[in-house]
Amino acid sequence: GDSVTQMEGPVTLSEEACLTINCTYTATGYPSLFWYVQYPGEGLQLLLKATKADDKGSNKGFEATYRKETTSFHLEKGSVQVSDSAVYFCALSVPGKLIFGQGTELSVKP
Amino acid sequence: GAVVSQHPSWVICKSGTSVKIECRSLDFQATTMFWYRQFPKQSLMLMATSNEGSKATYEQGVEKDKFLINHASLTLSTLTVTSAHPEDSSFYICSARYTGSQETQYFGPGTRLLVL
Repeated sequence: GDSVTQMEGPVTLSEEACLTINCTYTATGYPSLFWYVQYPGEGLQLLLKATKADDKGSNKGFEATYRKETTSFHLEKGSVQVSDSAVYFCALSVPGKLIFGQGTELSVKP
Repeated sequence: GAVVSQHPSWVICKSGTSVKIECRSLDFQATTMFWYRQFPKQSLMLMATSNEGSKATYEQGVEKDKFLINHASLTLSTLTVTSAHPEDSSFYICSARYTGSQETQYFGPGTRLLVL
């Protein structure tokens, strides 16, 4: 069945370090792919999305490219800030709903 | 735009009582709303999908008589946890999708339920 697998956390980085959070998926058809971010005690916010192969989603310095050949949608940022500390969820769409990965906790230290 | 609110944000109740959680789309009409449950440090588990004016569709393993969902208008859906027990304590999150947004869901801030 359709599924999303993310790298396990927690990921701890120093401020200004580079970030990559791996996400791979299994799906029939051609789903849209999403990254959501959840700050402590809050709901999820859409960070970025891509709707077709080779699309690049970007927002707030984060980027992810829809790679059909490797079924991946890795999240990247060149220089993280303390305020980026949160849990990041990769998700794919199937008709009628979203399927989420297990989430990756990111902690950025000053 | 696309703001979703939930009320209350926190609720503590006694075992055996019922709790109602509201989910509202503030600036758009939500033809479909979703209810999720999230355990600490885990992913979101979809509980049910509700379309305005029709019965909710529950995911496998979710008790429909336990978790009553009503989507009475295009801006409001409610989740009622009936006869709550400590194991129902969790973080409940709703999301909404409007006609034309295709797959994008907009999430509420969540409601933390603690059953004593």
